Amino acid sequence: AQRVTQPEKLLSVFKGAPVELKCNYSYSGSPELFWYVQYSRQRLQLLLRHISRESIKGFTADLNKGETSFHLKKPFAQEEDSAMYYCALRRSGGSNYKLTFGKGTLLTVNP
Amino acid sequence: EPEVTQTPSHQVTQMGQEVILRCVPISNHLYFYWYRQILGQKVEFLVSFYNNEISEKSEIFDDQFSVERPDGSNFTLKIRSTKLEDSAMYFCASSDGLPNEQFFGPGTRLTVL
Repeated sequence: AQRVTQPEKLLSVFKGAPVELKCNYSYSGSPELFWYVQYSRQRLQLLLRHISRESIKGFTADLNKGETSFHLKKPFAQEEDSAMYYCALRRSGGSNYKLTFGKGTLLTVNP
Repeated sequence: EPEVTQTPSHQVTQMGQEVILRCVPISNHLYFYWYRQILGQKVEFLVSFYNNEISEKSEIFDDQFSVERPDGSNFTLKIRSTKLEDSAMYFCASSDGLPNEQFFGPGTRLTVL
């Protein structure tokens, strides 16, 4: 079974502070991990995926298979980063690519 | 930039009534998905659809649910006899290839009274 855990429901930081949103997963096979973001009144959109290894809007995430984690980090948070962040997993390979989501973390960046 | 669209944005219905939620995927996409999110809970996969048939469905997707691609542009989710617990935000998503990004619509909020 696939499971994604985001232990923090809410996270509040000040502008310019580092931020880390935690994500742990459980999956017996080879997973693909994603971070989706949902800004206020907007749709879910892909922020980054582990296979692309890129930094988007200053965010990075490294897949740690030993700790089964895919934490999202940004060294200096901005107010416009305030949003709901969802970690998601899907299996790589096979015939279906359904996403399994965590419950999400609401990030608030205070001025 | 093309986007997935969903109508209506909010649907209120009485328990036991049938509802149809509509989605227009991005035009060159071939893989379609429905997810739902009950208030305060996680986004959950319902069903995936490719080549005019269901490719996978979750245990939530029981006989009360069905999906259809009635024409070349729409992708619908039907709930035959709604229950209170069907109240949720329903998201449609589409992709142009199995391993590629799934693009989400803005969602339809379904309220069952």
